Amino acid sequence: GAGVSQTPSNKVTEKGKYVELRCDPISGHTALYWYRQSLGQGPEFLIYFQGTGAADDSGLPNDRFFAVRPEGSVSTLKIQRTERGDSAVYLCASSLNPGHANTGELFFGEGSRLTVL
Amino acid sequence: GQQLNQSPQSMFIQEGEDVSMNCTSSSIFNTWLWYKQDPGEGPVLLIALYKAGELTSNGRLTAQFGITRKDSFLNISASIPSDVGIYFCAGQLANDYKLSFGAGTTVTVRA
Repeated sequence: GAGVSQTPSNKVTEKGKYVELRCDPISGHTALYWYRQSLGQGPEFLIYFQGTGAADDSGLPNDRFFAVRPEGSVSTLKIQRTERGDSAVYLCASSLNPGHANTGELFFGEGSRLTVL
Repeated sequence: GQQLNQSPQSMFIQEGEDVSMNCTSSSIFNTWLWYKQDPGEGPVLLIALYKAGELTSNGRLTAQFGITRKDSFLNISASIPSDVGIYFCAGQLANDYKLSFGAGTTVTVRA
């Protein structure tokens, strides 16, 4: 497809389990972002990749959260020892030329809804 | 992230009415953006503003980048049922690639 693709769309897990969420950005977009959206809130920044490297991971809440983008395209967000407070929608976005007017805009996927029981 | 204060939190409007919402921040932003999110979907960009004082339209939508660079507003004219959804403002600092989002304005249209 032409848009940002995220899988799974829904994930239910038990407290303490490990979870991986996948993002496939728009082809050719060098920048990739992960955001987390809790109910009734706006998206909150987690991490930003430029190519393969994490250029800004200042939004990751703690060391249980980790993300990779080994080939500069698909990214995986990994959450260890999940807690009930991790329940949220995890949104991925990509952009063509970050920081540039008209071509730096973020395009979002539909999100992965994580529920930790 | 930066703190953005978006108001109102929610609104019920009559079809055909004009809608206005705004966003303020204590930070000076380089870019202001407005997104709309439908249930089960990701946010979709409506309007992007790159210059202080800029007024930009997209169909029935009009948005302005405040002169102080600390605020923005979005107007929707002649609202229709498909305008229902959550509208988010977002700001981007100079030399930064991430966006900070407001908490959203939920719009419900009465037919």
